[in-house]
Amino acid sequence: GENVEQHPSTLSVQEGDSAVIKCTYSDSASNYFPWYKQELGKRPQLIIDIRSNVGEKKDQRIAVTLNKTAKHFSLHITETQPEDSAVYFCAASIGGGGSNYKLTFGKGTLLTVNP
Amino acid sequence: EAGVVQSPRYKIIEKKQPVAFWCNPISGHNTLYWYLQNLGQGPELLIRYENEEAVDDSQLPKDRFSAERLKGVDSTLKIQPAELGDSAVYLCASSPGGGGMWTGELFFGEGSRLTVL
Repeated sequence: GENVEQHPSTLSVQEGDSAVIKCTYSDSASNYFPWYKQELGKRPQLIIDIRSNVGEKKDQRIAVTLNKTAKHFSLHITETQPEDSAVYFCAASIGGGGSNYKLTFGKGTLLTVNP
Repeated sequence: EAGVVQSPRYKIIEKKQPVAFWCNPISGHNTLYWYLQNLGQGPELLIRYENEEAVDDSQLPKDRFSAERLKGVDSTLKIQPAELGDSAVYLCASSPGGGGMWTGELFFGEGSRLTVL
């Protein structure tokens, strides 16, 4: 089955700096890669996703890049703010929306943005 | 629109006792998932339902865990008997289902935190 590795496990940055979280996946058939944000004691929420036919996607201060050949994808947060502090999970699946959809999550990165 | 609702939010029991968690998905969502989230880990799928049918329960420890989704709406996850290692957060999620315009997003509840003493 799919295996998703996520690094680093913890990341501390100063407000205004950029943060980068990296993930690798094992199954070359995976084609959908979402990122979820989970604040302490709250539910995970989707913040951005990318499909294998796209190399990069951006939404305001958040961007995700995908390298299919190397089987890795990254989350980039620019101009970080204290409210970005949370645990971020990457995930990978085959068929985002299809009947064989199965999402495998990484172990998460605790991001702390210091004021 | 109401999100995914789970109860109870917190449960403390002694080992060998039974426990049940309830989930009400977003209205109209055909697919329902139960995930296990251990401390410091990502969610791991336990079971996925398409309407009332369990289509993927390969990760559900069937000796002590059971789940049902009667009438294809609400779902209950049960553990009997609970063990110390079952202490975790049990997340329920729902989605509109495969095909169509669904983007792949899962909508999670806030989870049920179980502590087994």
